[in-house]
Amino acid sequence: TQLLEQSPQFLSIQEGENLTVYCNSSSVFSSLQWYRQEPGEGPVLLVTVVTGGEVKKLKRLTFQFGDARKDSSLHITAAQPGDTGLYLCAGARWDNYGQNFVFGPGTRLSVLP
Amino acid sequence: SAVISQKPSRDICQRGTSLTIQCQVDSQVTMMFWYRQQPGQSLTLIATANQGSEATYESGFVIDKFPISRPNLTFSTLTVSNMSPEDSSIYLCSVDPQGGETQYFGPGTRLLVL
Repeated sequence: TQLLEQSPQFLSIQEGENLTVYCNSSSVFSSLQWYRQEPGEGPVLLVTVVTGGEVKKLKRLTFQFGDARKDSSLHITAAQPGDTGLYLCAGARWDNYGQNFVFGPGTRLSVLP
Repeated sequence: SAVISQKPSRDICQRGTSLTIQCQVDSQVTMMFWYRQQPGQSLTLIATANQGSEATYESGFVIDKFPISRPNLTFSTLTVSNMSPEDSSIYLCSVDPQGGETQYFGPGTRLLVL
């Protein structure tokens, strides 16, 4: 069972369209991160959200952390081919051994010109 | 943030051999993590490597198969031992420089086991 679920798993859209990717869990996280990974590269951090209800904007990307800190969304406005990649959400949590991070399965986005 | 490099960037290995992957960070960090990413999949945490203590392995990963060294605050190695084709994957190291809420990743090591 995935601790973090992402939807959709795959998304193919035309340039200029808007899209939203969701990251959901039944667990509470101290923070949540969104990464983008392009083929042949490691994941690159886009944003960290920490406070429940927090909204952060990064140019055409808008990130929201749910009030209960169990879910998050990533909205892209006017998608461009350069947005193509694997979008991963990751939740940070503390256990008996310290802090660790749990990754969702990813959303593979393809933006067609 | 942190700048992370990994060596090798890719390798093709024979079954039964071992490969050691190096991870170098441009600043001193307490927590380093090793992940595996199988083709088309998300990231799975192998272990957490803190300097001065033994690595903590996640369920399904054992020290004999994936021994880890953490000799100082800027460097770590992961060895994939007695490799089989099922070990073909991308291996990524990451750090949490603020000891808080964010990780930064290296570029990964692409391993193919024949």
